[in-house]
Amino acid sequence: EAGVAQSPRYKIIEKRQSVAFWCNPISGHATLYWYQQILGQGPKLLIQFQNNGVVDDSQLPKDRFSAERLKGVDSTLKIQPAKLEDSAVYLCASSLRGYGASYGYTFGSGTRLTVV
Amino acid sequence: AQKVTQAQTEISVVEKEDVTLDCVYETRDTTYYLFWYKQPPSGELVFLIRRNSFDEQNEISGRYSWNFQKSTSSFNFTITASQVVDSAVYFCALSEEGGADGLTFGKGTHLIIQP
Repeated sequence: EAGVAQSPRYKIIEKRQSVAFWCNPISGHATLYWYQQILGQGPKLLIQFQNNGVVDDSQLPKDRFSAERLKGVDSTLKIQPAKLEDSAVYLCASSLRGYGASYGYTFGSGTRLTVV
Repeated sequence: AQKVTQAQTEISVVEKEDVTLDCVYETRDTTYYLFWYKQPPSGELVFLIRRNSFDEQNEISGRYSWNFQKSTSSFNFTITASQVVDSAVYFCALSEEGGADGLTFGKGTHLIIQP
């Protein structure tokens, strides 16, 4: 079984530029999560999708961050415009059904973003 | 709101010593899940254990053991006879059952095992 795929692996941009990250979850996994992990901290949930609907985006900075999962499969997270404090690793995770806690989460390797 | 506290920022021990990583959580739900993840220098999150709120049995897996105590809202992790390969950042995390079941992570404990 292929894992959660994320790209790019690394990205360096200047502040005020835009950037997008892509995630392809495990086949058949209905629920997809995006996390932000700032250096020295634990991952923080940004947004959770169930199929193509948003379940929880309470911690997503909506003035600059957006995410979509149009066909209920892969997802894109965008930052526009980026700030220095957005430098972090962006992790994508998926779970089989709507209950990741019960069925478990599978994490991707992440995208490391550096904003200069 | 849920919260996970890992008070130990960094622990350094000599190889073969036993070490316990502390985790204290807060939640209003009666049904929830607790997790431990390992994050080695390579950066990936490695799943170690999941425990639901109705199962307070301690668990042992090789050199790893976990002590879950609802009375103190703690879910501590012990490594027996530590090895250099155990060096990593360890995260405790909490998820509440239901639709919005994303993980709330603690800040992590950086474990350094010295040879």
